[in-house]
Amino acid sequence: AQRVTQPEKLLSVFKGAPVELKCNYSYSGSPELFWYVQYSRQRLQLLLRHISRESIKGFTADLNKGETSFHLKKPFAQEEDSAMYYCATFSGGYNKLIFGAGTRLAVHP
Amino acid sequence: ETGVTQSPTHLIKTRGQQVTLRCSSQSGHNTVSWYQQALGQGPQFIFQYYREEENGRGNFPPRFSGLQFPNYSSELNVNALELDDSALYLCASSSTGDSYEQYFGPGTRLTVT
Repeated sequence: AQRVTQPEKLLSVFKGAPVELKCNYSYSGSPELFWYVQYSRQRLQLLLRHISRESIKGFTADLNKGETSFHLKKPFAQEEDSAMYYCATFSGGYNKLIFGAGTRLAVHP
Repeated sequence: ETGVTQSPTHLIKTRGQQVTLRCSSQSGHNTVSWYQQALGQGPQFIFQYYREEENGRGNFPPRFSGLQFPNYSSELNVNALELDDSALYLCASSSTGDSYEQYFGPGTRLTVT
């Protein structure tokens, strides 16, 4: 079964520091991978997806098939980046999302 | 454009009771997915509805059932509630025209005592 692993429950950094949120997946084919974000008191929303190769709010994520990873990175963290971040992948022929357990990013001033 | 809405916001039920949660999909979306999010966990897929038919189901027992209506709104029904059913229930809508992005509602917090 496909699985997404986020090894860190909490990542605490200071403003301006680089951020890397880790995500590993288990899938033998070509996965569709996403990062979703949930800011305080807001709903879960899509941050970025690997097929679009976009940079959203300064975040990027590169799919590394050799390491089966899709880490989320930002060179300089901002306080407004503090949120829960979920890595997710599609399963099957329909839009079933499989989520990791999530990492809470706390950016301190 | 109206976003995904869910009702009620939160509710408390007793073990063994039944509950119905409601979701209105975003305008133009024909697919609704339901997820259960236990405390400290990521959302887990329950099932999906496309044009009023179940279109995939996760690892949840039959006492979790759903409906989708002609206007694409949806209900999640849970019978014989158990304490472990306490969670945040999320609804997400999407369109087959843009099938990769799911738009989530704010969720319904269910507490079973």
